[in-house]
Amino acid sequence: RKEVEQDPGPFNVPEGATVAFNCTYSNSASQSFFWYRQDCRKEPKLLMSVYSSGNEDGRFTAQLNRASQYISLLIRDSKLSDSATYLCVVTSYQLIWGAGTKLIIKP
Amino acid sequence: DVKVTQSSRYLVKRTGEKVFLECVQDMDHENMFWYRQDPGLGLRLIYFSYDVKMKEKGDIPEGYSVSREKKERFSLILESASTNQTSMYLCASSQQGARETQYFGPGTRLLVL
Repeated sequence: RKEVEQDPGPFNVPEGATVAFNCTYSNSASQSFFWYRQDCRKEPKLLMSVYSSGNEDGRFTAQLNRASQYISLLIRDSKLSDSATYLCVVTSYQLIWGAGTKLIIKP
Repeated sequence: DVKVTQSSRYLVKRTGEKVFLECVQDMDHENMFWYRQDPGLGLRLIYFSYDVKMKEKGDIPEGYSVSREKKERFSLILESASTNQTSMYLCASSQQGARETQYFGPGTRLLVL
């Protein structure tokens, strides 16, 4: 089992819809969690941190479920510009990167 | 605005060649990282450095070496390139104590023939 797993997708979603995807991790001692966004043929960029209490940044909401060992990212009112691959990062002693979930927003 | 630059966007090399990938950051970051990214595998850490002349092996250091002679520059060296080193190479930097907040360069797509 991989230490960090993501559904590779692609998730094909109509513009304006709400979409959510998860990232599961195997190490229960993991301490910090993050979402990065990577546009096609571009470098990853930090999207948001994931706090125990959850956090929201505009249309984006990130949540942590320690009991089930996953983090989630929810995007409301999706825009064409949200099309990207979303990478989760889980840290304990080291950073572990997920392989990413590809999201395609269709007009 | 943090800027991380990499010496080449695309490189084509032959098997057995020595390959140098250069990375420069302009934000005085202590930490620097080299990753490779392959489809379905995510980012895999090759080497990282937390200070000048310091280096630590990541998950897949075999076939690679690094050099950090100056704080702003972190070089990745493929001693003898092989076809299985064809990949996207990404350099990143971060502040000390904030290793998760990484700023990436645009990447170098390396093809080894």
